[in-house]
This record gives sequence, structure tokens and C-alpha cells, in this order.
Amino acid sequence: GENVEQHPSTLSVQEGDSAVIKCTYSDSASNYFPWYKQELGKRPQLIIDIRSNVGEKKDQRIAVTLNKTAKHFSLHITETQPEDSAVYFCARDMRFGAGTRLTVKP
Amino acid sequence: DTAVSQTPKYLVTQMGNDKSIKCEQNLGHDTMYWYKQDSKKFLKIMFSYNNKELIINETVPNRFSPKSPDKAHLNLHINSLELGDSAVYFCASSQTGVGIQPQHFGDGTRLSIL
Repeated sequence: GENVEQHPSTLSVQEGDSAVIKCTYSDSASNYFPWYKQELGKRPQLIIDIRSNVGEKKDQRIAVTLNKTAKHFSLHITETQPEDSAVYFCARDMRFGAGTRLTVKP
Repeated sequence: DTAVSQTPKYLVTQMGNDKSIKCEQNLGHDTMYWYKQDSKKFLKIMFSYNNKELIINETVPNRFSPKSPDKAHLNLHINSLELGDSAVYFCASSQTGVGIQPQHFGDGTRLSIL
């Protein structure tokens, strides 16, 4: 099955800074690249996704970029706020990355 | 209205018991999933059903048996519960096709084995 490697496992930034999380995949079968956010004690929720016919997608302060040649896709959060603190997951097919715990310090 | 609802929210039981978790989605989706999330937050796929048919069965002990009476429901029955089964179990659904559409998750069932 699809392997998904996600880095870093933890990320701490100062409020207002940017955060970048990267996922590397092995299989090119699926054209769907989602990112999920899971707040403490809550369910994972989709925050942004991209299909392989585009290289970048933005939604306000979050963006996803896709590099099909290198087989990786990244989540970018700009102007981070304390409420961005959560665990973020990338996914391929129904397999999830190991998660990145993002902490935004006020 | 809750899109994906699972019950119970909490389940505390003794080792060796049998328990069930129910999941229902009112989104009209064709595909449903069960995930196990351990204490380190790894989200591991267990099963996936598409239109009541089993599509994915990962290396899960056969003590775990999913059942889909119709495409809006995917229940999980666990026999002879073990300490290692303690985790949060999430049900999810997506429109169609395994892993190629956004997944909508339920609130999770926290299973604690004493």
C-alpha cells in the first residue's frame, strides 16, 4: 500500500511566523492530496486539499503545494495564531501520515 | 444535524468482554471507514466499505468484525477485548471511492480496557 512520510513530528513557532509541514509519498496512483487538522480531543477535519492537475492551492492563510516529480506535498500556514495549534495530518488514499504537532506560542 | 455520528462516545469495559460501536452517516456517501488512533495519535485504517461491500481489510485481528447493513451504517464489533485495544476509534465517510474524496469523521469512541 501507499507509504506516507510526514515531517516534522513536532513544530513550535512564534505567533505570526509561518509553519511548513511536508509529506513524501511513494505511489502515484491517486491524484488526491488532503490535509487534516485535529484539535485536542476532537475529530480530524479537512482543512485543504489539492488534486494533481494543479501545483498550488490557497485558502486565506493556508496553502498546499504539490511537487509530483519529487513526490511530496506541503502544508503552509502563514501568520500563525494560537488557534492554529493542533495536530496536522497529510493523507494518501486512506493512509495517514504520522502527524505533526504544531504549537503556536503567543 | 451531525453528519457522521458514532455511539457510544466513551466505552469502559473489562478485558475479555465483547463490545460494539455504531456509526451512521447522513451525507449520502457511498464509502465508510473505521480508523484506530492510539495514544501517539497515529491514525491507522482498519476497514473500508463501499456500498456495503468490504473493500479494505488491513492487518486487523479477526476479533474485529465490521458490519454494514446498508451504505449509511458501518458498525464495529470487537470480541474478547484486550488491553492493546484501548484507543480512540473513528468512523469516517466519503462521497465515493476509497481515499480520493474528502473524508468526514465522527467524533470518535474512546475505548478503555480495564
